[in-house]
Amino acid sequence: DAGVTQSPTHLIKTRGQQVTLRCSPISGHKSVSWYQQVLGQGPQFIFQYYEKEERGRGNFPDRFSARQFPNYSSELNVNALLLGDSALYLCASNQLAGGRTDTQYFGPGTRLTVL
Amino acid sequence: AQRVTQPEKLLSVFKGAPVELKCNYSYSGSPELFWYVQYSRQRLQLLLRHISRESIKGFTADLNKGETSFHLKKPFAQEEDSAMYYCALSSGYSTLTFGKGTMLLVSP
Repeated sequence: DAGVTQSPTHLIKTRGQQVTLRCSPISGHKSVSWYQQVLGQGPQFIFQYYEKEERGRGNFPDRFSARQFPNYSSELNVNALLLGDSALYLCASNQLAGGRTDTQYFGPGTRLTVL
Repeated sequence: AQRVTQPEKLLSVFKGAPVELKCNYSYSGSPELFWYVQYSRQRLQLLLRHISRESIKGFTADLNKGETSFHLKKPFAQEEDSAMYYCALSSGYSTLTFGKGTMLLVSP
């Protein structure tokens, strides 16, 4: 298994544009979480999805949205991009829902630059 | 609200020296704490979790509820330990609250 995969690797957008980031979890994992990592900070939780349902949402504006597909892959959408949205976006997958001690497996991230 | 604090941005030690990376947390419930590590050009990965009480790559961490701390320790640092270390707290459904991270540099 290649582990969690994310696409694209890098992305450059201008202010006001919209962006879609993609994530494929490890085979057999039904839960996907998204994190934003701004330079010099730790990852910050955005969303968690399990079985296509949103299970958790972090403190992010409504410009951020996500969804999970029947094959458990996920997309993160960000509308009306701001300069401050420039960050590394990480996807993580884990196997069980509600398992607080579940190990989260992280993807390599998508580096988004907003100009 | 939960919070994780890592007071040191950078910790620089010589090979063979002891290492302690500090982590303090704030959480109203019963915490589940983790240390994640990111080596150069690699993805973020779990190093250890308090519930397992295990030693990984010579690192240990003990949860001290009285001091709300979960410091990461290793008696003898190795050059290959150089990496970014993040302390994290689980707050339901495996979502994680991370600290800002500490860069550990081990010099020969």
